[in-house]
Amino acid sequence: DAKTTQPPSMDCAEGRAANLPCNHSTISGNEYVYWYRQIHSQGPQYIIHGLKNNETNEMASLIITEDRKSSTLILPHATLRDTAVYYCIVRVAWESGSARQLTFGSGTQLTVLP
Amino acid sequence: GAGVSQSPSNKVTEKGKDVELRCDPISGHTALYWYRQSLGQGLEFLIYFQGNSAPDKSGLPSDRFSAERTGGSVSTLTIQRTQQEDSAVYLCASSLGQIYGNQPQHFGDGTRLSIL
Repeated sequence: DAKTTQPPSMDCAEGRAANLPCNHSTISGNEYVYWYRQIHSQGPQYIIHGLKNNETNEMASLIITEDRKSSTLILPHATLRDTAVYYCIVRVAWESGSARQLTFGSGTQLTVLP
Repeated sequence: GAGVSQSPSNKVTEKGKDVELRCDPISGHTALYWYRQSLGQGLEFLIYFQGNSAPDKSGLPSDRFSAERTGGSVSTLTIQRTQQEDSAVYLCASSLGQIYGNQPQHFGDGTRLSIL
């Protein structure tokens, strides 16, 4: 899987949009961009994923650049409960062998401030 | 809807004892994964089940670890003769499985295992 780089930490004011960047310059054509988060003492939580088009669900929006070398996760109205470590990963579409495993990097610690 | 359920949420046991950890995946999910996460560390893959296929056990750290999945649903991870280095959070995840492609894994909140 392609490597990703994320800033180690970010702050965001409660009620404002949180924009979390991720670089994945070596992504290949069959790899999707996934975002997960992990709140302290909880298991990882799936947020959203996409291939090349922008995606939106009830939790967040995912903006992928045209060259697919970077993406941004947007939490439109951050709350205190969104404080967590956010992980950006890229994975092939079809799970086989080692691709089945999820591997998280260091992620971004997002702190939502009151 | 119901997510992945794991039990117990916490387990404290003495070194040398056997432990069993349980995972109830999301209904209809054919793929099931076990990971462990040590304090401040990333995910360590342990084992993967997909339908009726032979499990991928490539991540199990020793023969003290085993897992089974009965009836394609509930899974049990067993650790025999526990050691202090087995202390970690054991996470279970499930997904719709390989045939659907690009399916996200959904995690339970894990079992926090402490070996005294």
